[in-house]
Amino acid sequence: NAGVTQTPKFQVLKTGQSMTLQCAQDMNHNSMYWYRQDPGMGLRLIYYSASEGTTDKGEVPNGYNVSRLNKREFSLRLESAAPSQTSVYFCASSEDSGSTVSYNEQFFGPGTRLTVL
Amino acid sequence: QQQVKQSPQSLIVQKGGISIINCAYENTAFDYFPWYQQFPGKGPALLIAIRPDVSEKKEGRFTISFNKSAKQFSLHIMDSQPGDSATYFCAAPHRDFGNEKLTFGTGTRLTIIP
Repeated sequence: NAGVTQTPKFQVLKTGQSMTLQCAQDMNHNSMYWYRQDPGMGLRLIYYSASEGTTDKGEVPNGYNVSRLNKREFSLRLESAAPSQTSVYFCASSEDSGSTVSYNEQFFGPGTRLTVL
Repeated sequence: QQQVKQSPQSLIVQKGGISIINCAYENTAFDYFPWYQQFPGKGPALLIAIRPDVSEKKEGRFTISFNKSAKQFSLHIMDSQPGDSATYFCAAPHRDFGNEKLTFGTGTRLTIIP
C-alpha cells in the first residue's frame, strides 16, 4: 500500500497563476483533508471531505477550491495564486466519516512545498 | 474558532533527559487527544493518543497526561534520544455543524543533543 500520495512535491508559481494539487489514498478511507503548514502556525485545515461527494470548508478556505473526484482522490485548486499561499500543503485521510464521533488516526501524505513569487 | 495552545515552541533537551510538551484547549467535542510526530521533509504521523476514561496513557518512553478540569494535556518523553528530534503536534477534536474535526496546536520543535 502506498498510503497517501501527493503530487507534485515542489512547485513554484508566479502571482496570479493557477494550479491543482493532487492527492490520492489507497486505504479505502471515507474522509480526506487538506491542511497547510506554516512556521509558528501549526497545521490549519483548509477543506475536508467527510465522504465521496461532499466537501466542507475548514479554518482557512479563502483562495482555494476542492474536488472529491471519487473515494480515492481529493484535489486542491488555487485559482489565482498569491504570495500568502506560499506554504507546505498536506493531504490526509481517515477511516471515519466526518459526521460521526470517532477516534481514528489521520494518515498524512508527504506534502507539497509551494512557493508563490 | 477552536484553539489549542501548545508550548514551548522549541525545546532542547540533553540525551537521556525528559522532554515535556504542554497543550491547553478551550472546548472539545469529546475526550480524545492525539499527538503527531513529524520528521523534516515528511508528513505528520500519529505517535500516541489518549481516549476517554483515562488520565494517563503510556507507550514505551512516551506518556500522555490529561487533566480534564484544567483542560490541559501533555506529552512526556522519557530517556530522550537523538532519534526523537522532530516536531510534535497536539490536537483536540471539535464539532463544526455536526462534523467532528481535529484542531492542531502550533507545534514544538524538539532537539535532543548528545
